[in-house]
Amino acid sequence: GAGVSQSPSNKVTEKGKDVELRCDPISGHTALYWYRQRLGQGLEFLIYFQGNSAPDKSGLPSDRFSAERTGESVSTLTIQRTQQEDSAVYLCASSWTSGGHNEQFFGPGTRLTVL
Amino acid sequence: AQSVTQLDSQVPVFEEAPVELRCNYSSSVSVYLFWYVQYPNQGLQLLLKYLSGSTLVKGINGFEAEFNKSQTSFHLRKPSVHISDTAEYFCAVSDQGNNFNKFYFGSGTKLNVKP
Repeated sequence: GAGVSQSPSNKVTEKGKDVELRCDPISGHTALYWYRQRLGQGLEFLIYFQGNSAPDKSGLPSDRFSAERTGESVSTLTIQRTQQEDSAVYLCASSWTSGGHNEQFFGPGTRLTVL
Repeated sequence: AQSVTQLDSQVPVFEEAPVELRCNYSSSVSVYLFWYVQYPNQGLQLLLKYLSGSTLVKGINGFEAEFNKSQTSFHLRKPSVHISDTAEYFCAVSDQGNNFNKFYFGSGTKLNVKP
């Protein structure tokens, strides 16, 4: 079946603009994660969704960042009033269920460049 | 919270030579351990994982890793590398405790296999 997909693959925006990034998880996966990967750094956890439970937003770096997910389907990550330090690759991953023993399947990422 | 250290940002090696990519994590609580690989222009994919049982774990493409609890390490090894192993490798840790839904990633090691 299809893997995790993300769109757009690349996004260039101007400082101060809002951007919306989309993630389509693997069908049937109840858990969905967003990560940020800055150049030369590891993956930084942003937010986690599990079914209809309240999301774990503890990794969001500021209130300019928000994410939504309807049920067990598509998720969108929104960054308001983008700053240059928001430039990074944003990765989405999904897994069958929650629990650290479950493999996460990653999408190809969205490369965001803020000018 | 965990922190994951991959000391080597880049590892150059000749084809058919052995290689070891190092990974250390900070907390000694019970953990799940993973290695992910990212080939050029592709998403992250699971290479191998340790959940319990034997401390020597075998993964795809001839890679293996050994969990050492006393040294809080999970080094990745391959006895003979191939050009196609050129990629970036990420170590990840998930606690079995309160934050078991969170994965903590290292900053990655770029393996460059030369002919």
